[in-house]
Amino acid sequence: DTAVSQTPKYLVTQMGNDKSIKCEQNLGHDTMYWYKQDSKKFLKIMFSYNNKELIINETVPNRFSPKSPDKAHLNLHINSLELGDSAVYFCASSQDPPSTDTQYFGPGTRLTVL
Amino acid sequence: AQKVTQAQTEISVVEKEDVTLDCVYETRDTTYYLFWYKQPPSGELVFLIRRNSFDEQNEISGRYSWNFQKSTSSFNFTITASQVVDSAVYFCALSEADFGNEKLTFGTGTRLTIIP
Repeated sequence: DTAVSQTPKYLVTQMGNDKSIKCEQNLGHDTMYWYKQDSKKFLKIMFSYNNKELIINETVPNRFSPKSPDKAHLNLHINSLELGDSAVYFCASSQDPPSTDTQYFGPGTRLTVL
Repeated sequence: AQKVTQAQTEISVVEKEDVTLDCVYETRDTTYYLFWYKQPPSGELVFLIRRNSFDEQNEISGRYSWNFQKSTSSFNFTITASQVVDSAVYFCALSEADFGNEKLTFGTGTRLTIIP
């Protein structure tokens, strides 16, 4: 049983396209996150949601729009993709209170923008 | 603002040697949490340990051990008798117990290569 799953694992697309990455967790956690890992392996938070409410938005361009239909899902939609969006995107989840609990990560989605 | 520094970008050791990965953190909070994650070549992020700021006891888990010292703001990770499977990028991370700031701040990672 996969705790935090993401689809797709790989995503190759052209500049200007719109794409989505899905994330689901079956851990019963209340908080979910999106992190971006760049080509130098640097990991940085993008968003966090607690009980479907946005908690953190780390100055991410508004081309990125997270959507949380329920506590177990946090999808990431990206409009008008740019070359600089190429990265590995990780979804994570943690129990409440999120700031004190361990975050468990999905397998990552490698996005390549051509 | 919270910050994590992993000064060692890359380390290579021969199998069975011991190796220590350094982590230095900065925070203004008195309550915070420190983590280590492993990212093997397959790419996933694997949780290794979580330690709160009030517990300075060292921890040992098999070949892994962690040394937390608040006096030097360090949370170092030692692998004893290293194995090829330990080859990975290791990240140290910090989380402040601060509502509205529920995020992990990661260091830049240390790439560990174990030479057979």
